[in-house]
Amino acid sequence: DGGITQSPKYLFRKEGQNVTLSCEQNLNHDAMYWYRQDPGQGLRLIYYSQIVNDFQKGDIAEGYSVSREKKESFPLTVTSAQKNPTAFYLCASSTGQGATNEKLFFGSGTQLSVL
Amino acid sequence: QQPVQSPQAVILREGEDAVINCSSSKALYSVHWYRQKHGEAPVFLMILLKGGEQKGHDKISASFNEKKQQSSLYLTASQLSYSGTYFCGTAYTSGTYKYIFGTGTRLKVLA
Repeated sequence: DGGITQSPKYLFRKEGQNVTLSCEQNLNHDAMYWYRQDPGQGLRLIYYSQIVNDFQKGDIAEGYSVSREKKESFPLTVTSAQKNPTAFYLCASSTGQGATNEKLFFGSGTQLSVL
Repeated sequence: QQPVQSPQAVILREGEDAVINCSSSKALYSVHWYRQKHGEAPVFLMILLKGGEQKGHDKISASFNEKKQQSSLYLTASQLSYSGTYFCGTAYTSGTYKYIFGTGTRLKVLA
């Protein structure tokens, strides 16, 4: 079955440490996204990518980095510069045709906590 | 820049109705609605593409007022399974295609 796989489901970060969240999709989608969700709040866009080897900052990119070396993969690194990383992180993808009727497909999320 | 949703939270009894509003300061060309259960991924409900469009999904329907840059989600005769957080979403195409979500509305249906 096609879908989006995020791993790990739970992740703990020590102070000063960089951690990487994995996101893989086998939907043959061009576009991929990372969102951050804090308790009781909406989804805020961190980074997004429309094609391989290209990505753009979202609304809250500071303290995060991404890469898009393969169409299927869009890993997110939470760097030590992100002082408040505790949140639920969601990866999503879409066909990326730029049509307004595109819907997003989501992974099951990664809960990141600080030790 | 995020679309603003109201109310932020609502509690209902089974069988009661609710309305969730989504308002944007920027032009909306389409509105998408999703529901998220706690700790899970958001699930797509419906898309509205044109101003004045209304759609239904079971007892959940939505409208889109393009002129007012608003959309509303209507939940009729709510069921326990309707509990969750509802998000509106929209795509902005200014150079690149960017998809953002509203602030969310937490809905709890009680037996």
